[in-house]
Amino acid sequence: ETGVTQTPRHLVMGMTNKKSLKCEQHLGHNAMYWYKQSAKKPLELMFVYNFKEQTENNSVPSRFSPECPNSSHLFLHLHTLQPEDSALYLCASSQISATYNEQFFGPGTRLTVL
Amino acid sequence: DAKTTQPPSMDCAEGRAANLPCNHSTISGNEYVYWYRQIHSQGPQYIIHGLKNNETNEMASLIITEDRKSSTLILPHATLRDTAVYYCTYYPFVSPGEKGGSEKLVFGKGTKLTVNP
Repeated sequence: ETGVTQTPRHLVMGMTNKKSLKCEQHLGHNAMYWYKQSAKKPLELMFVYNFKEQTENNSVPSRFSPECPNSSHLFLHLHTLQPEDSALYLCASSQISATYNEQFFGPGTRLTVL
Repeated sequence: DAKTTQPPSMDCAEGRAANLPCNHSTISGNEYVYWYRQIHSQGPQYIIHGLKNNETNEMASLIITEDRKSSTLILPHATLRDTAVYYCTYYPFVSPGEKGGSEKLVFGKGTKLTVNP
C-alpha cells in the first residue's frame, strides 16, 4: 500500500466509449503524474501536475484529457481511444523539493480497448 | 529517449549480492540518480537515490562513481521477492512550484533481475 489508489483496476472499453480513470493520493503531496506502460516498452510520462497546474504534456494525443481538481485527485478522461492505447496506466504522486522527488505509484489501471 | 543504459537482464542466486549497473554519462552536476523497481503487474517502487556520495538504506546500497557517469545498485542478500525490473534514472534540481517539466523522471527499459533459489 503506497498511499496512492487508482480506480478502476481493470477497464475494457470500445473505441467509441468515454471513460475516466481516477487517482487519489493520501500523502499530502504537491505533484501528481500519469504514466503509460505498454507491453515491452518503457514507462512513458504523459502528464505532470505541480501544485494543481499542468506543467508537462508529453505530446499526448487529445483523446487523453487530464483533470486535476485539487492536489489529492487526478483524473484521466478517455474518449475515442484506439486499440494501441491498451496499456497499464499508472498514477504517481510526489512531494517535490530541491533535493528529493521520490514518486509513489499506484497499482495502475489495466486498460483494454476493443 | 532513455538517458540511461542498463543490461536487459541479470540472474542472481538467492542469498547472494545482486549488483545492478547503470550508465548515465549525460548526467549533470545537479541531477540525482534514482533507482526504482517494478515487480510484475505492480506500480514501480522507489528504492534509493543519491547525488555523489554512496548511500545505503534498508533496501539497498547505491555506489556512484567519482565522475558520476555510472552507478551500481547493490542488493546485499537477494531474495526471491527481489525478482523485478530495476530502473535507473536521474532527476534535475527543481524548486517547489517551479514550472517547466523538470519534475519528470525518464525511465529506460531497466534490468530484469531474476533471483533463483
